Amino acid sequence: EPEVTQTPSHQVTQMGQEVILRCVPISNHLYFYWYRQILGQKVEFLVSFYNNEISEKSEIFDDQFSVERPDGSNFTLKIRSTKLEDSAMYFCASSVRQGPGELFFGEGSRLTVL
Amino acid sequence: ILNVEQSPQSLHVQEGDSTNFTCSFPSSNFYALHWYRWETAKSPEALFVMTLNGDEKKKGRISATLNTKEGYSYLYIKGSQPEDSATYLCASSSGNTPLVFGKGTRLSVIA
Repeated sequence: EPEVTQTPSHQVTQMGQEVILRCVPISNHLYFYWYRQILGQKVEFLVSFYNNEISEKSEIFDDQFSVERPDGSNFTLKIRSTKLEDSAMYFCASSVRQGPGELFFGEGSRLTVL
Repeated sequence: ILNVEQSPQSLHVQEGDSTNFTCSFPSSNFYALHWYRWETAKSPEALFVMTLNGDEKKKGRISATLNTKEGYSYLYIKGSQPEDSATYLCASSSGNTPLVFGKGTRLSVIA
């Protein structure tokens, strides 16, 4: 069964360092998303991506964040200069279409900023 | 800002018991309601996507109802099994905006 895969599963980094989280969405999906969950809090929307551009982003997704689809398969989230409060589980998701259809999530990448 | 609330936060039930939990969301401009099941160390998995008021969906022993006029959805599990232990996430969107999630209900089924 096709699935969304994410790497790394866990990354520990020093404050101020750049981090790239990688995702391979399901191959025929067109819409891609990043969500995150800070421990004990709600899963929060970061950004959605379609047709090689950001379609929507939240207030969390400031200039420190960027997304890219460098080739036909990978979808990356870059945090340019990590802060302690960026520590969270980051989930990639994809969907066939926009609208009410279900999202398919990866297993998440846990980022720990020291 | 759309706010989705789930209750209870956590729940312990005995194997074989039936249980239910609640998701509340703003009823104005409602678009869709999602339920996801999230087991530890795995990816959240979609259970139901519901859009119509009065909708009821069922998957095995799990079912869900939707009331868009009053802004709530119930998830029911009949005859809980240990493998049902997971966090159940509810998410809603309004006007085709991105999904907004609740905090989840953590269910533990004790054998």
